[in-house]
Amino acid sequence: GAGVSQSPSNKVTEKGKDVELRCDPISGHTALYWYRQRLGQGLEFLIYFQGNSAPDKSGLPSDRFSAERTGESVSTLTIQRTQQEDSAVYLCASSALGGGGGDEQFFGPGTRLTVL
Amino acid sequence: TQLLEQSPQFLSIQEGENLTVYCNSSSVFSSLQWYRQEPGEGPVLLVTVVTGGEVKKLNRLTFQFGDARKDSSLHITAAQPGDTGLYLCAGSGAGSYQLTFGKGTKLSVIP
Repeated sequence: GAGVSQSPSNKVTEKGKDVELRCDPISGHTALYWYRQRLGQGLEFLIYFQGNSAPDKSGLPSDRFSAERTGESVSTLTIQRTQQEDSAVYLCASSALGGGGGDEQFFGPGTRLTVL
Repeated sequence: TQLLEQSPQFLSIQEGENLTVYCNSSSVFSSLQWYRQEPGEGPVLLVTVVTGGEVKKLNRLTFQFGDARKDSSLHITAAQPGDTGLYLCAGSGAGSYQLTFGKGTKLSVIP
């Protein structure tokens, strides 16, 4: 695959339901990031995975949010008991090294989540 | 908490005009990046600046990092409809992988 892919592209769910969002990073990239982008806002950092290190979960807004990553490949972001305030575009990015601002992050197209 | 303020929030101009958008902070960043995001897509990196006072050019786009590394500007010469999009700046601290994003400037170039 040439770039970062995410699925589904759109997800509409009812308040209180759980959702699972998937990210396939660029092959060989050790670092993976999840961001949330609310309408008219910038990107909000959620979580960061780097190799086999413990993930940085400092951006997760509540304990309803969790994420997993299998090795250096696929990641899933799970939101439990969704609320209307969770409606946003969820973006995933990967980078080769994850070592700092000079390491380019490549973004996927995002999953647009709408909670009714 | 490091914050990045972008201005203007919205900008609509005619094709061929010049424009400048700004990214300001009270915090010092070790590097600052500019991205362009089109509807339904993720942001795409345009440039990274790391040295205070640095100027980088990318075709008709000129990026400048402030001397104190707290602010940056993006100047577009002779804007084209293809320049339409959301321009985001993002900064990171020394050795940090975390990017702090501004809210963006939504640019519309009218043919």
